[in-house]
Amino acid sequence: DARVTQTPRHKVTEMGQEVTMRCQPILGHNTVFWYRQTMMQGLELLAYFRNRAPLDDSGMPKDRFSAEMPDATLATLKIQPSEPRDSAVYFCASRRGAGANVLTFGAGSRLTVL
Amino acid sequence: QKEVEQNSGPLSVPEGAIASLNCTYSDRGSQSFFWYRQYSGKSPELIMFIYSNGDKEDGRFTAQLNKASQYVSLLIRDSQPSDSATYLCAGDTNAGGTSYGKLTFGQGTILTVHP
Repeated sequence: DARVTQTPRHKVTEMGQEVTMRCQPILGHNTVFWYRQTMMQGLELLAYFRNRAPLDDSGMPKDRFSAEMPDATLATLKIQPSEPRDSAVYFCASRRGAGANVLTFGAGSRLTVL
Repeated sequence: QKEVEQNSGPLSVPEGAIASLNCTYSDRGSQSFFWYRQYSGKSPELIMFIYSNGDKEDGRFTAQLNKASQYVSLLIRDSQPSDSATYLCAGDTNAGGTSYGKLTFGQGTILTVHP
């Protein structure tokens, strides 16, 4: 059963610390998304990649967030320095191309910044 | 204006009733639309997608798309308590260019089906 794998599932850290979240997309999926979900804002798109190239990261605070795809099997989202307002669930999702192709979500990384 | 907007809810219906969830979108370049269900503490999971005007049925679920009105809806017939969840509408910009394949979600509508 193909799945998107995210690590860590839970992370508690102190303000100012660096946080790195990792995602392994489904094999063969060439489009990868990072979303952040909070009660107030819902599911916000932070960044997405197609064929490892970043297409849109306009939803991401550039001063502290960075997203990369070092290779086709790994996407990373880094926050440095972290702040309490970054507390949220971060989802990685992948799909093959676009159109009617289904977007599959990982289980999410729940981040708490104290 | 958000690209995808949903009726805010929450929506409460009795068991066995029809639940109607609505969504509007602003980007006329959007061509494919998805309905996801998210249980508390879980990740979103796909219910169905639609890309042609009209209705698409899958079991108790019917998605409706009206591109002229930029409107998407999901009907759940014979609602069950297990349908209680947050329902997310998403639109896929498929018009080429840098936003090709970008999937944007609405805020979500919380549905409660009470026995």
